[in-house]
Amino acid sequence: EPEVTQTPSHQVTQMGQEVILRCVPISNHLYFYWYRQILGQKVEFLVSFYNNEISEKSEIFDDQFSVERPDGSNFTLKIRSTKLEDSAMYFCASSQEGGQINEKLFFGSGTQLSVL
Amino acid sequence: GNSVTQMEGPVTLSEEAFLTINCTYTATGYPSLFWYVQYPGEGLQLLLKATKADDKGSNKGFEATYRKETTSFHLEKGSVQVSDSAVYFCALKAGNQFYFGTGTSLTVIP
Repeated sequence: EPEVTQTPSHQVTQMGQEVILRCVPISNHLYFYWYRQILGQKVEFLVSFYNNEISEKSEIFDDQFSVERPDGSNFTLKIRSTKLEDSAMYFCASSQEGGQINEKLFFGSGTQLSVL
Repeated sequence: GNSVTQMEGPVTLSEEAFLTINCTYTATGYPSLFWYVQYPGEGLQLLLKATKADDKGSNKGFEATYRKETTSFHLEKGSVQVSDSAVYFCALKAGNQFYFGTGTSLTVIP
């Protein structure tokens, strides 16, 4: 079965550094998402992306965050200047359809980001 | 607002035991409800879903019934196996957004 691939599985960085988390969604999917889960808390929506632009974003997704689909296969999440509170598991997801029709997300296995 | 609350884990059961993982929700409108499962080293996968009140979702021996009167979507399985060891996430979809719970870790011991 096709799957969403995320790299790296673990990322350790110093506070204030930039990080890029990478995702390869399923090839025929059109809608892309980033979620995160801080340890012990709920999985939280960050952003959705369609047709090369952000379609929705949460309050968490501030100016420090950006997403990009640079080459038609990768989908990246960049954090410009990491903070301690950015430490979390970051999940990428994709789906064939979006909006009201979308009922099934396919998730990657996550990138555990640790900010020291 | 929209949110999901699920029972805290971790949950440890012996093989063939009965499983219940509680999930309650708060939502405006009429959400769809889901259970996702994450096996070790893998991404979240859709386990089952229900799109309207009184619907029962089922898959791999797991069941959950959409109860509007109690705003619940509890996950049950009659006889768990070691291979069911995973983290289970309850979620609702309202509008274009998914809202997830914290996840409940289940370990099944032989």
